[in-house]
Amino acid sequence: AQSVAQPEDQVNVAEGNPLTVKCTYSVSGNPYLFWYVQYPNRGLQFLLKYITGDNLVKGSYGFEAEFNKSQTSFHLKKPSALVSDSALYFCAVSFHGNNRLAFGKGNQVVVIP
Amino acid sequence: DSGVTQTPKHLITATGQRVTLRCSPRSGDLSVYWYQQSLDQGLQFLIQYYNGEERAKGNILERFSAQQFPDLHSELNLSSLELGDSALYFCASSATSLDTQYFGPGTRLTVL
Repeated sequence: AQSVAQPEDQVNVAEGNPLTVKCTYSVSGNPYLFWYVQYPNRGLQFLLKYITGDNLVKGSYGFEAEFNKSQTSFHLKKPSALVSDSALYFCAVSFHGNNRLAFGKGNQVVVIP
Repeated sequence: DSGVTQTPKHLITATGQRVTLRCSPRSGDLSVYWYQQSLDQGLQFLIQYYNGEERAKGNILERFSAQQFPDLHSELNLSSLELGDSALYFCASSATSLDTQYFGPGTRLTVL
């Protein structure tokens, strides 16, 4: 079965510092990997995805993620965090041919001014 | 704004009742998905429809059912409601069955 682990509950970072949100996955075969962000009282917004190709994926709002097959990881990164990046971040995985998304528990990111 | 709309935004009802949640996908999207977000279970896939046909089923209770209509909007029906059904219910849509899913704002269901 496919699954995703987001090991940290909350990530605190000072504004202007690099932001990293960790994600590891377990799925047989080649995974499709996604990051979504959820702001309070809002739906999930798509940030980026990895299907195949270049391991470094660039997405919306300056975010990027690196696919590492040997470590089965897909960490989300942003070089310089903004206060407005404070939100709940979800990593998700699906398996080719099956578009149901399995989500991690989510990471609360708090960017401190 | 993702282009996916959901109504109502909030729903408060009593145990044992039945409710219907409605979702309109993005223009041109054929696939609709339903997810449940609760504090104890997190975000869970419930069911997927593609062009009117059920395509995949996840952790959906037998008390829950869904359908996708010819105009591609979808409804999720929840019956014999229990306190534990209180959650945020999200609809998502994608162009085809394998494309990126875009989520609506959700319906918050409170069962009292």
